[in-house]
Amino acid sequence: DIVMTQTPLSLSVTPGQPASISCKSSQSLLHSDGKTYLYWYLQKPGQSPQLLIYEVSNRFSGVPDRFSGSGSGTDFTLKISRVEAEDVGVYYCMQSIQPLFGPGTKVDIK
Amino acid sequence: QVQLVQSGAEVKKPGASVKVSCKASGYTFTSYGISWVRQAPGQGLEWMGWISAYNGNTNYAQKLQGRVTMTTDTSTSTAYMELRSLRSDDTAVYYCARVKHRNLDYWGQGTLVTVSS
Repeated sequence: DIVMTQTPLSLSVTPGQPASISCKSSQSLLHSDGKTYLYWYLQKPGQSPQLLIYEVSNRFSGVPDRFSGSGSGTDFTLKISRVEAEDVGVYYCMQSIQPLFGPGTKVDIK
Repeated sequence: QVQLVQSGAEVKKPGASVKVSCKASGYTFTSYGISWVRQAPGQGLEWMGWISAYNGNTNYAQKLQGRVTMTTDTSTSTAYMELRSLRSDDTAVYYCARVKHRNLDYWGQGTLVTVSS
């Protein structure tokens, strides 16, 4: 079975500063169809999860361009170029080869 | 706009069953699938399974095989998730999410299911 890890598990960021979250998979997420099925979700306090990034690096509709995703194979990164107060919550990576979420990274504001 | 509206909170006794609904609007229901994801109190997200609204094909998480059934009613654009033989560790918020090409893009508001004697 594929295992997903995220680092760090918590992150405190000063507004306006960048932030980065790493997600690693125990197996390559590159599918035989050529796509890499790695996603990033944000769950704000008291809300349902919302899609940020699909297939490694594609921003979902309405997602600010301060969010970016990168990586390949087994190593992936979500970057926030300048953190804003509304970005607080728990960030999850997810792979959909054998669907599984990472443990989550809690982001708060200093 | 795409909306997924779920049924209300439930309280069940151990051993009982629960059926949660997810009514879709704002898109062609049969062109997408529906996934179900749950979140125990203070915990992370757990993928439960997926159903195609086009043909009813399903794929369930191995740990829930035999206890979970996902169905759809295309006449009302509604998806259902039934979980049987409930245990205390099934207490969670259950979410439905629209799926296209393995992408869970829109989510319902969640349904709290509490299992308690």
